[in-house]
Amino acid sequence: DGGITQSPKYLFRKEGQNVTLSCEQNLNHDAMYWYRQDPGQGLRLIYYSQIVNDFQKGDIAEGYSVSREKKESFPLTVTSAQKNPTAFYLCASTIAGAGNTGELFFGEGSRLTVL
Amino acid sequence: GNSVTQMEGPVTLSEEAFLTINCTYTATGYPSLFWYVQYPGEGLQLLLKATKADDKGSNKGFEATYRKETTSFHLEKGSVQVSDSAVYFCALSVRSTLTFGKGTMLLVSP
Repeated sequence: DGGITQSPKYLFRKEGQNVTLSCEQNLNHDAMYWYRQDPGQGLRLIYYSQIVNDFQKGDIAEGYSVSREKKESFPLTVTSAQKNPTAFYLCASTIAGAGNTGELFFGEGSRLTVL
Repeated sequence: GNSVTQMEGPVTLSEEAFLTINCTYTATGYPSLFWYVQYPGEGLQLLLKATKADDKGSNKGFEATYRKETTSFHLEKGSVQVSDSAVYFCALSVRSTLTFGKGTMLLVSP
Protein backbone atom coordinates (compact mmCIF):
# COMPACT_ATOMS: atom_id res chain seq x y z
CA ASP A 1 0.00 0.00 0.00
CA GLY A 2 1.20 3.50 -0.78
CA GLY A 3 1.50 5.93 2.06
CA ILE A 4 3.59 7.79 4.57
CA THR A 5 5.17 6.03 7.52
CA GLN A 6 6.33 7.88 10.59
CA SER A 7 8.32 6.31 13.39
CA PRO A 8 8.40 6.01 16.26
CA LYS A 9 4.77 6.66 17.16
CA TYR A 10 5.70 7.56 20.73
CA LEU A 11 9.07 8.79 21.93
CA PHE A 12 10.36 9.93 25.30
CA ARG A 13 13.48 12.02 25.63
CA LYS A 14 15.45 13.51 28.44
CA GLU A 15 16.22 17.20 28.36
CA GLY A 16 19.41 17.99 26.49
CA GLN A 17 19.18 15.04 24.11
CA ASN A 18 18.72 15.23 20.37
CA VAL A 19 16.13 12.94 18.83
CA THR A 20 15.39 12.07 15.21
CA LEU A 21 11.92 11.34 13.87
CA SER A 22 11.66 9.24 10.75
CA CYS A 23 9.37 9.92 7.79
CA GLU A 24 9.28 7.65 4.73
CA GLN A 25 6.89 7.81 1.76
CA ASN A 26 6.38 5.50 -1.21
CA LEU A 27 3.99 7.77 -3.07
CA ASN A 28 6.72 9.10 -5.36
CA HIS A 29 5.96 12.60 -4.10
CA ASP A 30 8.52 15.34 -4.62
CA ALA A 31 7.55 17.61 -1.75
CA MET A 32 7.65 16.71 1.92
CA TYR A 33 6.75 18.69 5.04
CA TRP A 34 7.09 18.62 8.80
CA TYR A 35 4.42 20.17 11.02
CA ARG A 36 4.17 20.57 14.73
CA GLN A 37 0.78 20.33 16.42
CA ASP A 38 0.04 21.70 19.88
CA PRO A 39 -3.38 21.77 21.54
CA GLY A 40 -5.41 24.75 20.38
CA GLN A 41 -2.74 25.99 17.97
CA GLY A 42 -3.42 24.01 14.86
CA LEU A 43 -0.53 23.00 12.64
CA ARG A 44 2.65 25.02 12.34
CA LEU A 45 5.16 24.41 9.56
CA ILE A 46 8.69 23.51 10.69
CA TYR A 47 10.53 22.66 7.45
CA TYR A 48 9.67 21.64 3.94
CA SER A 49 11.49 20.23 0.94
CA GLN A 50 10.41 20.45 -2.69
CA ILE A 51 13.27 18.38 -4.09
CA VAL A 52 16.10 16.11 -3.01
CA ASN A 53 19.05 17.87 -1.36
CA ASP A 54 17.08 21.07 -0.86
CA PHE A 55 14.85 22.28 1.97
CA GLN A 56 13.48 25.52 3.40
CA LYS A 57 12.62 26.77 6.85
CA GLY A 58 8.99 27.09 7.78
CA ASP A 59 7.47 29.30 10.45
CA ILE A 60 9.06 27.64 13.50
CA ALA A 61 12.37 26.11 12.34
CA GLU A 62 14.49 27.14 15.34
CA GLY A 63 15.78 24.15 17.27
CA TYR A 64 15.06 21.71 14.44
CA SER A 65 17.06 20.31 11.54
CA VAL A 66 16.24 18.17 8.52
CA SER A 67 17.89 16.40 5.63
CA ARG A 68 16.62 15.22 2.25
CA GLU A 69 19.18 12.80 0.84
CA LYS A 70 16.58 10.58 -0.78
CA LYS A 71 13.23 11.36 -2.36
CA GLU A 72 11.48 8.88 -0.08
CA SER A 73 12.90 10.10 3.22
CA PHE A 74 12.71 13.36 5.20
CA PRO A 75 13.92 12.85 8.79
CA LEU A 76 13.47 15.58 11.40
CA THR A 77 15.94 16.08 14.25
CA VAL A 78 14.69 17.83 17.35
CA THR A 79 17.79 19.31 18.93
CA SER A 80 18.50 20.29 22.50
CA ALA A 81 18.15 23.91 21.37
CA GLN A 82 14.40 23.46 20.95
CA LYS A 83 13.04 24.97 24.15
CA ASN A 84 9.66 23.29 24.25
CA PRO A 85 9.85 20.12 22.16
CA THR A 86 6.96 18.17 23.68
CA ALA A 87 4.40 18.00 20.87
CA PHE A 88 2.76 15.90 18.18
CA TYR A 89 4.79 15.94 14.96
CA LEU A 90 3.22 15.30 11.57
CA CYS A 91 4.96 14.55 8.30
CA ALA A 92 3.21 15.13 4.99
CA SER A 93 3.93 14.90 1.28
CA THR A 94 2.48 16.03 -2.02
CA ILE A 95 3.17 16.19 -5.72
CA ALA A 96 5.18 19.29 -6.62
CA GLY A 97 4.88 21.37 -9.76
CA ALA A 98 2.12 21.31 -12.35
CA GLY A 99 0.41 18.21 -10.94
CA ASN A 100 -0.07 19.71 -7.51
CA THR A 101 -3.67 20.10 -6.36
CA GLY A 102 -2.76 21.43 -2.94
CA GLU A 103 -3.76 18.22 -1.17
CA LEU A 104 -1.33 16.94 1.44
CA PHE A 105 -1.02 13.30 2.46
CA PHE A 106 -0.19 12.84 6.13
CA GLY A 107 1.51 10.22 8.21
CA GLU A 108 -0.01 9.11 11.50
CA GLY A 109 2.25 11.30 13.58
CA SER A 110 4.91 10.95 16.25
CA ARG A 111 4.26 12.08 19.81
CA LEU A 112 7.42 13.34 21.51
CA THR A 113 7.50 13.83 25.26
CA VAL A 114 10.45 15.42 27.01
CA LEU A 115 10.86 14.24 30.59
CA GLY B 1 -0.57 37.09 3.78
CA ASN B 2 -2.84 34.07 3.77
CA SER B 3 -4.90 33.10 6.79
CA VAL B 4 -7.77 30.84 7.79
CA THR B 5 -10.17 31.50 10.65
CA GLN B 6 -12.49 28.83 11.91
CA MET B 7 -14.88 28.72 14.82
CA GLU B 8 -13.49 27.67 18.14
CA GLY B 9 -14.62 24.47 19.70
CA PRO B 10 -15.48 22.21 21.09
CA VAL B 11 -18.74 21.84 19.23
CA THR B 12 -20.93 19.44 21.17
CA LEU B 13 -23.90 17.82 19.45
CA SER B 14 -26.26 14.93 19.91
CA GLU B 15 -26.38 12.18 17.31
CA GLU B 16 -28.46 13.08 14.23
CA ALA B 17 -28.11 16.83 14.86
CA PHE B 18 -27.20 19.27 12.09
CA LEU B 19 -23.59 20.41 11.96
CA THR B 20 -22.08 23.67 10.77
CA ILE B 21 -18.44 24.61 11.30
CA ASN B 22 -17.66 28.07 10.01
CA CYS B 23 -14.51 28.86 8.08
CA THR B 24 -13.45 32.14 6.49
CA TYR B 25 -10.21 32.94 4.73
CA THR B 26 -7.95 35.69 3.50
CA ALA B 27 -5.75 34.95 0.53
CA THR B 28 -3.70 36.57 -2.18
CA GLY B 29 -4.42 34.96 -5.51
CA TYR B 30 -6.97 32.21 -6.14
CA PRO B 31 -6.85 29.58 -3.42
CA SER B 32 -8.04 26.02 -3.38
CA LEU B 33 -9.95 25.22 -0.19
CA PHE B 34 -9.91 22.07 1.90
CA TRP B 35 -11.39 20.44 4.96
CA TYR B 36 -9.21 17.89 6.72
CA VAL B 37 -10.29 15.62 9.57
CA GLN B 38 -8.13 14.24 12.38
CA TYR B 39 -9.37 11.32 14.45
CA PRO B 40 -7.86 10.86 17.92
CA GLY B 41 -4.18 9.89 17.85
CA GLU B 42 -3.96 9.95 14.07
CA GLY B 43 -2.72 12.18 11.27
CA LEU B 44 -4.94 14.33 9.09
CA GLN B 45 -7.03 12.99 6.24
CA LEU B 46 -8.53 14.99 3.43
CA LEU B 47 -12.30 15.18 3.86
CA LEU B 48 -13.27 17.34 0.89
CA LYS B 49 -11.98 20.11 -1.34
CA ALA B 50 -13.04 22.80 -3.79
CA THR B 51 -10.76 24.44 -6.30
CA LYS B 52 -12.78 27.39 -7.60
CA ALA B 53 -15.61 29.71 -6.68
CA ASP B 54 -19.08 28.12 -6.34
CA ASP B 55 -17.63 24.60 -6.34
CA LYS B 56 -19.16 22.28 -3.77
CA GLY B 57 -16.99 19.63 -2.17
CA SER B 58 -18.67 16.63 -0.61
CA ASN B 59 -17.72 13.36 1.06
CA LYS B 60 -19.23 11.02 3.67
CA GLY B 61 -22.30 13.25 4.02
CA PHE B 62 -20.24 16.40 4.62
CA GLU B 63 -20.48 19.35 2.25
CA ALA B 64 -18.83 22.74 1.84
CA THR B 65 -19.31 25.40 -0.85
CA TYR B 66 -16.57 27.77 -1.98
CA ARG B 67 -18.08 31.26 -1.57
CA LYS B 68 -15.78 33.86 -3.03
CA GLU B 69 -18.07 36.80 -2.24
CA THR B 70 -18.02 36.02 1.48
CA THR B 71 -14.57 34.34 1.48
CA SER B 72 -16.06 31.37 3.27
CA PHE B 73 -16.01 27.57 3.11
CA HIS B 74 -18.35 26.41 5.87
CA LEU B 75 -18.57 22.68 6.60
CA GLU B 76 -22.04 21.14 6.99
CA LYS B 77 -23.57 17.76 7.65
CA GLY B 78 -27.24 17.04 7.96
CA SER B 79 -27.09 14.29 10.57
CA VAL B 80 -23.93 13.66 12.59
CA GLN B 81 -22.90 10.32 14.05
CA VAL B 82 -20.80 9.48 17.09
CA SER B 83 -18.09 8.30 14.69
CA ASP B 84 -17.81 11.87 13.34
CA SER B 85 -16.20 12.98 16.61
CA ALA B 86 -12.85 14.39 15.56
CA VAL B 87 -10.97 17.63 14.97
CA TYR B 88 -11.77 19.39 11.70
CA PHE B 89 -9.29 21.71 9.98
CA CYS B 90 -10.09 24.22 7.27
CA ALA B 91 -7.17 25.00 4.96
CA LEU B 92 -6.29 26.92 1.84
CA SER B 93 -3.63 26.40 -0.76
CA VAL B 94 -2.05 29.04 -2.93
CA ARG B 95 0.89 28.12 -5.17
CA SER B 96 1.43 24.82 -3.34
CA THR B 97 1.63 26.47 0.10
CA LEU B 98 -0.98 25.18 2.53
CA THR B 99 -2.27 27.34 5.39
CA PHE B 100 -4.37 25.73 8.14
CA GLY B 101 -6.91 27.05 10.57
CA LYS B 102 -6.51 26.14 14.23
CA GLY B 103 -8.99 23.29 14.11
CA THR B 104 -12.43 22.74 15.61
CA MET B 105 -13.12 19.77 17.84
CA LEU B 106 -16.47 18.07 17.30
CA LEU B 107 -17.92 15.86 20.03
CA VAL B 108 -21.03 13.84 19.20
CA SER B 109 -22.89 12.06 21.98
CA PRO B 110 -25.33 9.14 21.54
